[in-house]
Amino acid sequence: AQSVTQPDIHITVSEGASLELRCNYSYGATPYLFWYVQSPGQGLQLLLKYFSGDTLVQGIKGFEAEFKRSQSSFNLRKPSVHWSDAAEYFCAVGNSGNTPLVFGKGTRLSVIA
Amino acid sequence: NAGVTQTPKFQVLKTGQSMTLQCAQDMNHEYMSWYRQDPGMGLRLIHYSVGAGITDQGEVPNGYNVSRSTTEDFPLRLLSAAPSQTSVYFCASSYWGGGEQYFGPGTRLTVT
Repeated sequence: AQSVTQPDIHITVSEGASLELRCNYSYGATPYLFWYVQSPGQGLQLLLKYFSGDTLVQGIKGFEAEFKRSQSSFNLRKPSVHWSDAAEYFCAVGNSGNTPLVFGKGTRLSVIA
Repeated sequence: NAGVTQTPKFQVLKTGQSMTLQCAQDMNHEYMSWYRQDPGMGLRLIHYSVGAGITDQGEVPNGYNVSRSTTEDFPLRLLSAAPSQTSVYFCASSYWGGGEQYFGPGTRLTVT
């Protein structure tokens, strides 16, 4: 069965600092991997996705993520955080079939001046 | 494209009342699903559908019913609301279950 772990429940970073949110997954075959962002009171928006190919993927809002098969990880990064990045971030693992996407429990990001 | 739409946006129910949360998508997606989101619990899958006429249970199906008579619509029914069903409900759709999900704006439900 697929599973996703986001080890950090809450992270606080200073505006302008770099960011890395961790995501570890468990899946027997090649996974499809996703990062979503949820601003307060909003639905979930896709930041980026990995299906195959280049293991470093670029997303919207200046985010990127790297797929590391050996570590079963898909960590999200941003070189310089803006106050508007404060939100909840969800990692998810999927596949090529109809088994539902599995989400991590999320990491809440706070940004301080 | 309107994407995924959900109605109502907010709802307050009394214990024992029934209601239907509406979800519609105009992207011709075969797969649709319902999640509930509670603080500290992340997103939990309630029910999902891989196509019209086909539904299946997710992680937390008790107290909820679904049907899928058309590709576009996937309503979620609460038969007898309980305070434990107070939550934010999200509908999502996609071309296939393991693929990119498109989310609606959510329905905030309070059961008193």
